[in-house]
Amino acid sequence: ETGVTQTPRHLVMGMTNKKSLKCEQHLGHNAMYWYKQSAKKPLELMFVYSLEERVENNSVPSRFSPECPNSSHLFLHLHTLQPEDSALYLCASSQGRWGIYGYTFGSGTRLTVV
Amino acid sequence: TQLLEQSPQFLSIQEGENLTVYCNSSSVFSSLQWYRQEPGEGPVLLVTVVTGGEVKKLKRLTFQFGDARKDSSLHITAAQPGDTGLYLCAGRVANAGNMLTFGGGTRLMVKP
Repeated sequence: ETGVTQTPRHLVMGMTNKKSLKCEQHLGHNAMYWYKQSAKKPLELMFVYSLEERVENNSVPSRFSPECPNSSHLFLHLHTLQPEDSALYLCASSQGRWGIYGYTFGSGTRLTVV
Repeated sequence: TQLLEQSPQFLSIQEGENLTVYCNSSSVFSSLQWYRQEPGEGPVLLVTVVTGGEVKKLKRLTFQFGDARKDSSLHITAAQPGDTGLYLCAGRVANAGNMLTFGGGTRLMVKP
């Protein structure tokens, strides 16, 4: 399968649950990203993994924890989320640090916290 | 205040009409990208512009980067229902790291 694949596409979880979002890319890219897309807000960068280095947005709560075991796979571990965390979570990859040539996005995981 | 302001936020037009959407900032960008996002999908890259005054065409879509590299526009000729979606601009501020910043988007609906 080509492109960036995210699973699951939809997730409903309670505030006390622990779940993980998965992303994989088969494009040979060397950087991967997690973005949050909420209604009426711009895309918000959460985490970047580039050449085994992690960069994070300091405003992201610790209940979100990323993991990047290799250049093709990226996870976002979720724990004790709040209803305001409900959003579309997008994974992206790029060739070259910071995606100067553009990002390839997955279809996203629509997360609802109840 | 967002670094990148997109206007209009919403646009509903009839098939065949022309339209222009804008992406503006007070900052200078080293490069700027346009993406289109369809419902239930992730954004898809349309174009990257890097030179002030640059114009790029993609079929019926014309992208322009401002001379001062602070703004950009997307013009669609003879819009079709398939053009419906959320149009996002994203830029890198010159001399301020390489983080890509997204605008809030223009939601376009083209009615048949």
